[in-house]
Amino acid sequence: DVKVTQSSRYLVKRTGEKVFLECVQDMDHENMFWYRQDPGLGLRLIYFSYDVKMKEKGDIPEGYSVSREKKERFSLILESASTNQTSMYLCASSKAGGRETQYFGPGTRLLVL
Amino acid sequence: SQQGEEDPQALSIQEGENATMNCSYKTSINNLQWYRQNSGRGLVHLILIRSNEREKHSGRLRVTLDTSKKSSSLLITASRAADTASYFCATPTGGGNKLTFGTGTQLKVEL
Repeated sequence: DVKVTQSSRYLVKRTGEKVFLECVQDMDHENMFWYRQDPGLGLRLIYFSYDVKMKEKGDIPEGYSVSREKKERFSLILESASTNQTSMYLCASSKAGGRETQYFGPGTRLLVL
Repeated sequence: SQQGEEDPQALSIQEGENATMNCSYKTSINNLQWYRQNSGRGLVHLILIRSNEREKHSGRLRVTLDTSKKSSSLLITASRAADTASYFCATPTGGGNKLTFGTGTQLKVEL
C-alpha cells in the first residue's frame, strides 16, 4: 500500500516564524502536491512537483515555497507565517500521467498565533 | 468557481438509507474521481470513472457520469454510520497531472 506521511499532525507557530512541513512517500511517485483545506473552500493547490527539483505554482502559492531535493520528499515552507495561513495542510503523491489516483497523507493542522 | 462542485453541501440520512451526491464540472474531462475524507484526516480515493464509461460500481458505491451534462453522481447504498465523512469529486486539470477538487458534500449517517 502507498504510504504518505507528514511530519506533524498538529503545529502551533507564532506570526513571523519560519515553518517547515515535510511530506514523504514510499511508492516512488513522480508527482507530489501540497494543498491547503479551509472550510467552505475545499482543497486548493499550493504547489506541485513533477520531478526532483522541479516545481510548479498552484492556485495559491503566495507566502509559500517548496523544496524537492529527493524524489520521496516534498517540503512546504512558510517563510514568515501569518495568521491567515492557519489551515489544514494536505500532502499527496501520484504517478505521472493523467489518470492517476492521488494518495494523501493524514494532514497537518497548523495554527498561527 | 471550482471545476467540480458538489451538491448538496450537506446531507443527513438514517442508517440503511441510500445517499446520493452530485458533482458538476465545467470543462471536458477524460476521467472523474471521487474521494472520501473522514473528519480531520487525509483524502482516500474511492473510484475513478473514465469519460467513455457511463456507470461504475465498487461494493456499495455506484458512480455515474454524464459527459453531455458535465455531471457525475455518487450513490452509496445501504449506508452505515461509518460512511459519515465528506465526499469530493475531482477532475484532471493542467495537462492531467493535477486534480481540481470540489468543495465537497458532508454526509452524516445517523443510527
